[in-house]
Amino acid sequence: DAGVIQSPRHEVTEMGQEVTLRCKPISGHNSLFWYRQTMMRGLELLIYFNNNVPIDDSGMPEDRFSAKMPNASFSTLKIQPSEPRDSAVYFCASSSMGSYTDTQYFGPGTRLTVL
Amino acid sequence: AQSVSQHNHHVILSEAASLELGCNYSYGGTVNLFWYVQYPGQHLQLLLKYFSGDPLVKGIKGFEAEFIKSKFSFNLRKPSVQWSDTAEYFCAVNAGTGGFKTIFGAGTRLFVKA
Repeated sequence: DAGVIQSPRHEVTEMGQEVTLRCKPISGHNSLFWYRQTMMRGLELLIYFNNNVPIDDSGMPEDRFSAKMPNASFSTLKIQPSEPRDSAVYFCASSSMGSYTDTQYFGPGTRLTVL
Repeated sequence: AQSVSQHNHHVILSEAASLELGCNYSYGGTVNLFWYVQYPGQHLQLLLKYFSGDPLVKGIKGFEAEFIKSKFSFNLRKPSVQWSDTAEYFCAVNAGTGGFKTIFGAGTRLFVKA
């Protein structure tokens, strides 16, 4: 298995631009998580989906952030408009619900820099 | 609400020193407990996990963790660290029976001096 796939790996953009981050979970996993990691705030859960449905988006910082999961094999996290304080590493993770162990498998992350 | 507290944000050790990283959680019910590790420039990966049975859990690379229910703790230990253990370590918890949401601690950055 290729693991969780994220693209792009690095993104540099200017303030005000729209940014779209992509994630392909591990095949067969039905839970997907978006995290943001910064030096100041550590690892923050932004949103998670179960069976393509958003379950909890309370971690999404503001309306500029939105996430979708149109099918079991693809999810996007969009920031519009982007701001310098959005600069961070964004991780996607997936897990297989129904398992008590509920290990999350993380992707390599997207390093976002907003100038 | 669940929460996870990691006591040390930064730890510096010399090679061969013993390691113990503290982790406490707040949740009254059955929990699943995890330690994840993030090596420099890499993504998080599972180090070990506890969901039932023997409260002393052994993971990869010589790490172990002990679940003490009465103390709501799940401390990570290694008897002798190596330079290659330099990484950030995250404790995480979710509600038992496969709860949706896993809560991560703030992380502890470990630096091992060669």
